[in-house]
Amino acid sequence: AQSVTQLDSQVPVFEEAPVELRCNYSSSVSVYLFWYVQYPNQGLQLLLKYLSGSTLVKGINGFEAEFNKSQTSFHLRKPSVHISDTAEYFCAVSVKTSYDKVIFGPGTSLSVIP
Amino acid sequence: DAMVIQNPRYQVTQFGKPVTLSCSQTLNHNVMYWYQQKSSQAPKLLFHYYDKDFNNEADTPDNFQSRRPNTSFCFLDIRSPGLGDAAMYLCATSRHSPGGDQPQHFGDGTRLSIL
Repeated sequence: AQSVTQLDSQVPVFEEAPVELRCNYSSSVSVYLFWYVQYPNQGLQLLLKYLSGSTLVKGINGFEAEFNKSQTSFHLRKPSVHISDTAEYFCAVSVKTSYDKVIFGPGTSLSVIP
Repeated sequence: DAMVIQNPRYQVTQFGKPVTLSCSQTLNHNVMYWYQQKSSQAPKLLFHYYDKDFNNEADTPDNFQSRRPNTSFCFLDIRSPGLGDAAMYLCATSRHSPGGDQPQHFGDGTRLSIL
């Protein structure tokens, strides 16, 4: 069975500093990977996804993520954060060969400090 | 813009009084989901519809029911809400299968409070 770990429950970072949000997954088969962002009192919004091909994936709002198969990781990065990036970030996994549900990680709360 | 719309955004009900939350979509997606999300937690899948086929999660309480009268609409019924059911309820859609390479499209949620 798949599982998703986001080791950092809260990440405070100063405005214009870089940030990395970590995501590790476990699966015995190939997976698709997603990052979603949730702003306060809103639903989840897709930031980016990895399906195949280049391991570096670019998403919206200047975010990017790198898929590392050997380390089973899909860390999210942004070189310079803004106040508006303050939100909850969820990593999610689905299995390529299954029509089962998507598994969400527990989330990381990013707080950008002015 | 095509989207997922949830009504109402905020709902207050009394302990034990049935409540219905609604979701509509203009994406014409086959799959519609209902999630429960409590504070600082990941969304928890309650059930989903693949077209008219209902798929309940094993740990979803019987108190929660759902209806999908057509492709565009889906409803969440809570028959006898308890204090523990206070949460954000999120509706989502995806084009095809629940897993695989299809991202989910979420509504902005309904925040349910129980008095």
